[in-house]
Amino acid sequence: NAGVTQTPKFQVLKTGQSMTLQCAQDMNHNSMYWYRQDPGMGLRLIYYSASEGTTDKGEVPNGYNVSRLNKREFSLRLESAAPSQTSVYFCASSERRVSARKPTGELFFGEGSRLTVL
Amino acid sequence: EDKVVQSPLSLVVHEGDTVTLNCSYEVTNFRSLLWYKQEKKAPTFLFMLTSSGIEKKSGRLSSILDKKELFSILNITATQTGDSAVYLCAVGTNTGTASKLTFGTGTRLQVTL
Repeated sequence: NAGVTQTPKFQVLKTGQSMTLQCAQDMNHNSMYWYRQDPGMGLRLIYYSASEGTTDKGEVPNGYNVSRLNKREFSLRLESAAPSQTSVYFCASSERRVSARKPTGELFFGEGSRLTVL
Repeated sequence: EDKVVQSPLSLVVHEGDTVTLNCSYEVTNFRSLLWYKQEKKAPTFLFMLTSSGIEKKSGRLSSILDKKELFSILNITATQTGDSAVYLCAVGTNTGTASKLTFGTGTRLQVTL
């Protein structure tokens, strides 16, 4: 059972180049998320998708775009990479909240993608 | 803006010691508080807490939530070198269309022999 799979695991870019991080989950989860993790900053939410066909901005969306291609896949695109986007990126998924009484469930994380922008 | 603060930022203890990690929060529409352990790669889930005063336990780890004072603690007894990791606290909120987690910066725990 693969869980959440991210590709690539490592990438080096030059300033101004573009790239897409791919994420797929096989747990039939409705919600998917992209986080970035920087030293001393914890995990910060970039974008999330509550369900297929919807996406919303998180805490740090500038410089990124996302696509929820289908229920399984959620990609993150950097159109013009900047050194400030050097980070480790994590994709995650969770079951969607069914009712107001259901607590926020745990997130299942991918292994991370380390991106360096020179 | 939702805020989650963890303390201490880092901690070095000897094997066998007991440690307490702290997490306080200020969020809108609280639903849950979660603890994760992160070693080299992806965070792995430890606990989810939704009710005040009910302790969750798993082996040497335990956690409790105080919704009135807006904090949680994670205790690790009889620490081992394998407990060395970054411990992340996250608070779950519901936006109406999705659940999301806001993370603290983590506490880096190092257990030495």
